[in-house]
Amino acid sequence: DTGVSQDPRHKITKRGQNVTFRCDPISEHNRLYWYRQTLGQGPEFLTYFQNEAQLEKSRLLSDRFSAERPKGSFSTLEIQRTEQGDSAMYLCASTRTRGRGNEQFFGPGTRLTVL
Amino acid sequence: DAKTTQPNSMESNEEEPVHLPCNHSTISGTDYIHWYRQLPSQGPEYVIHGLTSNVNNRMASLAIAEDRKSSTLILHRATLRDAAVYYCILRGEYGNKLVFGAGTILRVKS
Repeated sequence: DTGVSQDPRHKITKRGQNVTFRCDPISEHNRLYWYRQTLGQGPEFLTYFQNEAQLEKSRLLSDRFSAERPKGSFSTLEIQRTEQGDSAMYLCASTRTRGRGNEQFFGPGTRLTVL
Repeated sequence: DAKTTQPNSMESNEEEPVHLPCNHSTISGTDYIHWYRQLPSQGPEYVIHGLTSNVNNRMASLAIAEDRKSSTLILHRATLRDAAVYYCILRGEYGNKLVFGAGTILRVKS
């Protein structure tokens, strides 16, 4: 069990560019979550997948954001036409579907800076 | 999701117990109480969770009030590595996402 991994760990981009982040969950975890965290705040939910199906999206996920989990394994989060307000830590978490107490395992996050 | 209230920050001495309070007066009967913590520059990590009874694990203990409107996370002997933001979260019976508040910043002094 190598834990949840995210790539890249840091990304600096210019406003208007597109960026893509990858998350590799713990193997056999069928649920995968994306959260966003700005400085001094707790993480905010963006979206989650059960296997390859995207089951819930937050209203924070504007039409510039798209997430995929094509084969029910890794997931990507793409932000198009980045804005300075997109600067944040993007966190991925995974879990097994095994009941109400199932804990989420978080990755180290990708820190995005939009100049 | 029901709301939780935590102090903004707390301070503890190393090797002493720490009691981190959480109020959740609007908790429903099927809400579980979860605690996560986030060390500097890391993603959150699960600490403990409970429904009605007090719970213990290798990291901490969770004391739940009889009316379930409050709970306390107990670190029995704080170490410098316990300095983190601690989040108290209510999670519904079929809850999936975690709804984080601002949490409590715990500072541990040597």
